[in-house]
Amino acid sequence: DTGVSQDPRHKITKRGQNVTFRCDPISEHNRLYWYRQTLGQGPEFLTYFQNEAQLEKSRLLSDRFSAERPKGSFSTLEIQRTEQGDSAMYLCASSTRAGTSGGATDTQYFGPGTRLTVL
Amino acid sequence: ILNVEQSPQSLHVQEGDSTNFTCSFPSSNFYALHWYRWETAKSPEALFVMTLNGDEKKKGRISATLNTKEGYSYLYIKGSQPEDSATYLCALDLHNNAGNMLTFGGGTRLMVKP
Repeated sequence: DTGVSQDPRHKITKRGQNVTFRCDPISEHNRLYWYRQTLGQGPEFLTYFQNEAQLEKSRLLSDRFSAERPKGSFSTLEIQRTEQGDSAMYLCASSTRAGTSGGATDTQYFGPGTRLTVL
Repeated sequence: ILNVEQSPQSLHVQEGDSTNFTCSFPSSNFYALHWYRWETAKSPEALFVMTLNGDEKKKGRISATLNTKEGYSYLYIKGSQPEDSATYLCALDLHNNAGNMLTFGGGTRLMVKP
């Protein structure tokens, strides 16, 4: 396993269309994160899974966004009725719990991202 | 809202120059700090994870220091090379209930001219 992969790398769509992105994490990683990066900004947290459970969602994640991780392996992020403001780089990261609580931080390994352009 | 600030936003240096960037954050909200390097069309690459005040980490020509009491971290690159050209991101880990979600700064874009 060479790292986190994301598909597609680029997506151009028209406003109002639905799009779905896929993330394949590093195989033994139980944690999976989605981030979004817009031009000139750093990545912003969208949502987090531990195994198949979605444990946290940012308020950035409107009702048009949904994420799943059905078997605790790959994850999908769907955007319904896309808007021009959804144009961004969507990054996925995975990690594994490093040590006992209160004693460690995870290193998150990122994929190359999916660049979405909404026309 | 937690603000993680990075300066400068961009930096142009000549090959061989040494350079440094700053990441600042509220000192009252700290669990760990991460530095990433993000080259165009590639995945962000983890450089360092720092947790303790006074931490110093080094990887080749790149090093970082951490001051949690005053809320800043410095990243140094000695003898910059064209292959160091990338965006350098710092990110704060608040270790809240949401796993270890990261709050990123806006990044410093480094361009090294041969």
